[in-house]
Amino acid sequence: DVKVTQSSRYLVKRTGEKVFLECVQDMDHENMFWYRQDPGLGLRLIYFSYDVKMKEKGDIPEGYSVSREKKERFSLILESASTNQTSMYLCASIPWDSMGRQPQHFGDGTRLSIL
Amino acid sequence: DQQVKQNSPSLSVQEGRISILNCDYTNSMFDYFLWYKKYPAEGPTFLISISSIKDKNEDGRFTVFLNKSAKHLSLHIVPSQPGDSAVYFCAVRGGSNYKLTFGKGTLLTVNP
Repeated sequence: DVKVTQSSRYLVKRTGEKVFLECVQDMDHENMFWYRQDPGLGLRLIYFSYDVKMKEKGDIPEGYSVSREKKERFSLILESASTNQTSMYLCASIPWDSMGRQPQHFGDGTRLSIL
Repeated sequence: DQQVKQNSPSLSVQEGRISILNCDYTNSMFDYFLWYKKYPAEGPTFLISISSIKDKNEDGRFTVFLNKSAKHLSLHIVPSQPGDSAVYFCAVRGGSNYKLTFGKGTLLTVNP
């Protein structure tokens, strides 16, 4: 079974802090994703990465950056945390697949509160 | 503009009956459609999918129907069980970049 591990289940930070959310997958997947989930808004894509050192903006990248130095690890960075970034953050991964018929596998999420 | 719409925020069903969750999409270029289930404080788990070349896919109690002309996707759960109570997200994919676009979710409650 694919294992996607997010380093923290719950995190509380202060406005203006630089926040790091870490995600590790154990299946050598090429593609990794960061989403946030908010009530009534569903899952929205923040950033994704096709390979080491590769990244692309998703639908809501403002206020975030990412880092992918190793294939198994994808980090989400809140450069200067703000209260509107309080949310559930979800990491996902998927292998390269020529037919594109593989589902994304998700971690259990990090509930981040910015005070 | 929303590309994927789940117009029912919630649905309540009796145990043993059928649950039908609906999803509409706007872009005819979408070619792969998925349903995910999410319990509170957990990540979404993949449930079932269908490609655009099919109109039905079954897996046990779960069946997904795709109506391409209407750009409509539905998930049928028969029979519904209390453990099915969760938020259900439909997701669509178009093109080759693996990016998924999710609906806002429907909270299904199955009453014993």
